[in-house]
Order: sequence, then C-alpha cells, then structure tokens
Amino acid sequence: NAGVTQTPKFQVLKTGQSMTLQCAQDMNHEYMSWYRQDPGMGLRLIHYSVGAGITDQGEVPNGYNVSRSTTEDFPLRLLSAAPSQTSVYFCASRERGGSRETQYFGPGTRLLVL
Amino acid sequence: KQEVTQIPAALSVPEGENLVLNCSFTDSAIYNLQWFRQDPGKGLTSLLLIQSSQREQTSGRLNASLDKSSGRSTLYIAASQPGDSATYLCAVRHQAGTALIFGKGTTLSVSS
Repeated sequence: NAGVTQTPKFQVLKTGQSMTLQCAQDMNHEYMSWYRQDPGMGLRLIHYSVGAGITDQGEVPNGYNVSRSTTEDFPLRLLSAAPSQTSVYFCASRERGGSRETQYFGPGTRLLVL
Repeated sequence: KQEVTQIPAALSVPEGENLVLNCSFTDSAIYNLQWFRQDPGKGLTSLLLIQSSQREQTSGRLNASLDKSSGRSTLYIAASQPGDSATYLCAVRHQAGTALIFGKGTTLSVSS
C-alpha cells in the first residue's frame, strides 16, 4: 500500500491564481480530511468527507473547495489564492469505528502564495 | 469549544533519560485521543490511539495514558534515543464530532 499520497510537494502561486492539491489513498478508507499547519497555530481542519459524495466544512473552510467523487480521491481546490493561504497542507484518511480510527497522513504540500 | 494544550512546548534531554510529555483537553466528552510524531518537513505518523474507555496503550518504549475525567493524557518515552527527536502532537476526537482537534505539539531534542 502506498498509503496517503499528495501532489505536488511544493507550489508557488501568485495572488488570485487557482490550483488543486491532489490527495489519494489506497486503503479504502471512508473518512478523508484536509488540514493546514501554520507556525504557532497547529493543525486546523479545512474540509472533511465521510464517504464518496459527502463533504462538510471544518474550522477554516473559507477560500477552499472540495469534492469526493470516489473513495480514493479527495482534491482540495484553492479558488483565488491569497497570501494568507501560504501554509503546509496535509491530507489524512482513516476508517470508521473503534481501534480502526488511527489517522494516516500524507507527506504534505508546501504552498507559497506571493 | 474543545481546546488541547501541550506542555512543555520544547524539551531537551540527554540520551537514555525517561521522559513524560503532557497533553490536556478542556472537554472530557472525547471519543478517542491520539499521539502523533512529526519529523521536520514530514507528515504525521500515528504512535498510539487510546479509546475513551481505555486507560493506557503501549507500543515498545512508548506508553500513553488517559485520564478522561481530569482531561489529561501523558506520553511516556523510556530510555530516550537521538532518533526520538521530533515534534510530538496530541489530538482528540469529540464524541459528537468527526474531526481531530490538535495541540500545538512538544518539540523533543535528545542529545547523544
């Protein structure tokens, strides 16, 4: 199993540009989520999905969009990039229920918005 | 609103020392608690998951305890090694929610 994969690893954008951060998992996990990690702020939840076709907002959803058309993929779209979106983005997945709820994280995407 | 606090923010110890990392949370109605490790520039790796009904979990030199009523968890690392140097993050999932709420982490440095 490759686990959770993310692309790209690093991206530079100009203010106003749009882009999609890709996330895929091969563990057949129902639950997937996106976090951003900022110095002094810790990890904060952006959006999550409990299954294909079902998404919901987390703590900091503004400026981001998600969809879940398959179990494997959960892309994060930046609609119009702003310098405040400079961050490291992590995708995560897990199963549902009891001891199977161990969360698996991808390696992250470092985004710089100029 | 659930808040997770980790103390200390940074810790330096010599190799071989036993150490304890602390995590506290404000709402005791949690579903589970997880401890993660994060190496610089890398993603998070789950170390231990404790269900709300459990008191502790062990994996090798790591032991995590949970006292839900007092809103506290500790991660005990025995016989620390330089390879243990990393940031350790605590996260809780509320009973009524699906998301993890993270603390800001403790950065551990173990010197040889």
